Amino acid sequence: NAGVTQTPKFQVLKTGQSMTLQCAQDMNHNSMYWYRQDPGMGLRLIYYSASEGTTDKGEVPNGYNVSRLNKREFSLRLESAAPSQTSVYFCASSSPSGADTQYFGPGTRLTVL
Amino acid sequence: GQSLEQPSEVTAVEGAIVQINCTYQTSGFYGLSWYQQHDGGAPTFLSYNALDGLEETGRFSSFLSRSDSYGYLLLQELQMKDSASYFCAVSPQAGTALIFGKGTTLSVSS
Repeated sequence: NAGVTQTPKFQVLKTGQSMTLQCAQDMNHNSMYWYRQDPGMGLRLIYYSASEGTTDKGEVPNGYNVSRLNKREFSLRLESAAPSQTSVYFCASSSPSGADTQYFGPGTRLTVL
Repeated sequence: GQSLEQPSEVTAVEGAIVQINCTYQTSGFYGLSWYQQHDGGAPTFLSYNALDGLEETGRFSSFLSRSDSYGYLLLQELQMKDSASYFCAVSPQAGTALIFGKGTTLSVSS
C-alpha cells in the first residue's frame, strides 16, 4: 500500500517548456487535489477533483490544467512554464469521512528558469 | 473572503508546553484540522475537531470553539522532533477541499 505517489520528485524547466506532473493513489479515495507551496504562503489549492470525471478550480488555477484520468490518477499540466510557477507541488487524496483527512504525496520540487 | 490566521513562528524548549492558535473566517464551517510538516517533507494529519471542546491524541490536543471561530493545537512534553511547521485547515463543507492557514513554524531547542 504505497498511499499517494508523485513523479517526478525534482524537475528543472526553461521558461515556455511544458510538462505534466503525475499523481496516483491506491486508497480508493474519491477526491484528489493539487496544491502548490511557496515560502510563507502555506498550501494553496490549484485544482481538485471530487470524483472521477469532475474537476474544479481552486484558489490559483491560472497557468495549469488537470486531468482526472481514472479514480486512481490525477495529473497536473503546465502548458508554458513561467518562473512564477517555481514551487513545491503536492498531490493529496481524501475519502468522505468526518475528518476529510487528506493524505499527501511526497511532492515535486519544480524550478523554472 | 476566506482566511485563517495563525502565528508565523513559535519557539520553545524541550519538555515545555506550547499552544498554536488559529482563528478563521470562512463562508462555511464543517470542521477544523491540524497538519504537521517537517522540513522537506509532506504534510501529515494530526487531529480534527468538528464539535466544541478538546480532542486528545497522546502528547497533542486540539481545541475548538465554533462560537469564537477559534481553535488551538496544544503540544505537551515537547521533543526536538516536534520542530516542524503546523497548519490549521478548515473544511467549509463536508467532502470539499480544505482551506489551509499559512502555517506556524515551531522551533524546539534543548
